[in-house]
Amino acid sequence: AQSVTQLDSQVPVFEEAPVELRCNYSSSVSVYLFWYVQYPNQGLQLLLKYLSGSTLVESINGFEAEFNKSQTSFHLRKPSVHISDTAEYFCAVSASQKLVFGQGTRLTINP
Amino acid sequence: DTEVTQTPKHLVMGMTNKKSLKCEQHMGHRAMYWYKQKAKKPPELMFVYSYEKLSINESVPSRFSPECPNSSLLNLHLHALQPEDSALYLCASSQGRGGGPQYEQYFGPGTRLTVT
Repeated sequence: AQSVTQLDSQVPVFEEAPVELRCNYSSSVSVYLFWYVQYPNQGLQLLLKYLSGSTLVESINGFEAEFNKSQTSFHLRKPSVHISDTAEYFCAVSASQKLVFGQGTRLTINP
Repeated sequence: DTEVTQTPKHLVMGMTNKKSLKCEQHMGHRAMYWYKQKAKKPPELMFVYSYEKLSINESVPSRFSPECPNSSLLNLHLHALQPEDSALYLCASSQGRGGGPQYEQYFGPGTRLTVT
């Protein structure tokens, strides 16, 4: 069975500071990993995904995540955050027709 | 068009009412999903439709009744709900043969349901 652990429920950072949101997974089969973002009062949007190939994946808005098979991790990073990055971030692993979500990490940006 | 639309945005209903939530996508996706999301929690899968047929029911109470009239539409019929059913209900869709694991899901904005 697949599962996802997001180690931090909340991460406060100052604007323009770097941030890392941690995600660990367990899976007995091929791994497909996703990061989704949920802005206040909205649905979820795909931020980036790992299917195969290069272990470093990037999004169009400056986030990146690195797949580490030995550590079973898929941490999300951004070198410099903006106020607009304030949101809930969900890591997910895909299993058959289901997405298994982590509990989420609330990223708050302080000016 | 990569949009999933949901109506209504907000819904308040009494415990004896019957109402329906609607979801629509025009991306040609053949897998569609209903999720329930409580505050400060991740979405919980309720139902999966693959090629207009119900393929997964996550032991959802019968007061929630899904329907997939065609490949673009997904409904969730609500009857005799309880206050604890108040939540954000999200619809999603994905491509591929019934939504393979490598395909991301596209989410709608959700319907915020309040049961009084």
